[in-house]
Amino acid sequence: DTAVSQTPKYLVTQMGNDKSIKCEQNLGHDTMYWYKQDSKKFLKIMFSYNNKELIINETVPNRFSPKSPDKAHLNLHINSLELGDSAVYFCASSSGIGSGGETQYFGPGTRLLVL
Amino acid sequence: AQKVTQAQTEISVVEKEDVTLDCVYETRDTTYYLFWYKQPPSGELVFLIRRNSFDEQNEISGRYSWNFQKSTSSFNFTITASQVVDSAVYFCALSGPGGTSYGKLTFGQGTILTVHP
Repeated sequence: DTAVSQTPKYLVTQMGNDKSIKCEQNLGHDTMYWYKQDSKKFLKIMFSYNNKELIINETVPNRFSPKSPDKAHLNLHINSLELGDSAVYFCASSSGIGSGGETQYFGPGTRLLVL
Repeated sequence: AQKVTQAQTEISVVEKEDVTLDCVYETRDTTYYLFWYKQPPSGELVFLIRRNSFDEQNEISGRYSWNFQKSTSSFNFTITASQVVDSAVYFCALSGPGGTSYGKLTFGQGTILTVHP
């Protein structure tokens, strides 16, 4: 039933560790995104993929690597976690980028805390 | 570059009051899209409305209404007869045409709305 799902919902880990967040959408959408929401609630795009192809890479550190095995999944791998990576990470999807402005539907978010 | 400004950081009202959340945007695109999202205390982001730059008609959906004015680059959101369940963070967002911004959403800073019983 869930349109955009993310796992895990919460992630607590130590500095220096590597972790992954998974995202899946069952809406049949072609485009998926990762956004980061910081402690002040500010939302900023990190990546977008269209049909498994990277479209946007918004000056995110190389420690963050998205991977899209198919158009229904977009995972986020984070290497060598730092304190500043603590945030809520949202996955989203939309029907495409052809004409622009398609509505993005968001997952429930993954709250990452780096200790 | 695109920019969205929500000047009201926090608004506090008493139930049944009307409240307007302001949103001002900047863009050089002639075609663009505006959105409002709601983030309740549970944390998810809920889509409320999408508007394209060629459609300046105001929209009403139940107690919610939106006023889009290109002349002032504003897309304001009004909740009529507010309820406690309206308490949330509300985000205004902007996206350009597919060829340039590739669907990138630029969000405002958000307005925290608290409705007291």
